[in-house]
Amino acid sequence: EAQVTQNPRYLITVTGKKLTVTCSQNMNHEYMSWYRQDPGLGLRQIYYSMNVEVTDKGDVPEGYKVSRKEKRNFPLILESPSPNQTSLYFCASSFRDSYNEQFFGPGTRLTVL
Amino acid sequence: GENVEQHPSTLSVQEGDSAVIKCTYSDSASNYFPWYKQELGKRPQLIIDIRSNVGEKKDQRIAVTLNKTAKHFSLHITETQPEDSAVYFCAAADSGGYNKLIFGAGTRLAVHP
Repeated sequence: EAQVTQNPRYLITVTGKKLTVTCSQNMNHEYMSWYRQDPGLGLRQIYYSMNVEVTDKGDVPEGYKVSRKEKRNFPLILESPSPNQTSLYFCASSFRDSYNEQFFGPGTRLTVL
Repeated sequence: GENVEQHPSTLSVQEGDSAVIKCTYSDSASNYFPWYKQELGKRPQLIIDIRSNVGEKKDQRIAVTLNKTAKHFSLHITETQPEDSAVYFCAAADSGGYNKLIFGAGTRLAVHP
């Protein structure tokens, strides 16, 4: 089954404790991205990747890191989480670029205390 | 960079009525405009998209229109049904080779039986 998976689905952590949210897709998609969803603000792109070892900043990259060492995986790293990073995070992938259908993962609800 | 504004933020209609959601964008070079539907607690899913070489696209009860001169595009849902109740997001693909996808803030549509 074609899908995008994220782990964990829910996470409660404390300020400053490094965490990683994993994202994996099995559709051989080149383009992957991370979004955060906050009430009244819609989906805001954090980082995106056009292919292995090619990543770039989205609109709200501050406080986040990503890597793309393999085509299927695109982890999101919060090295020192802060309460303003409490949000619902979605990973997405698409064929080739942002001009094609984005397939979203199930979401990760993160709470930073 | 691109900026997308979406209106209204909430919309309430009676079953069988039509619903219209409008988005404006700032970058005249943007050329791809998707619409995503997010049901409560679920991930966003693409429902329809349009590219800048097309003025209108229809898929059963859903249609999207694009006015490049005015830099706005709209989602039209006819004969609304309770299962159309969801949050709808418009988006525009940032041009200039950056491959960003910029979303509007979302419209919560409620269809009352």
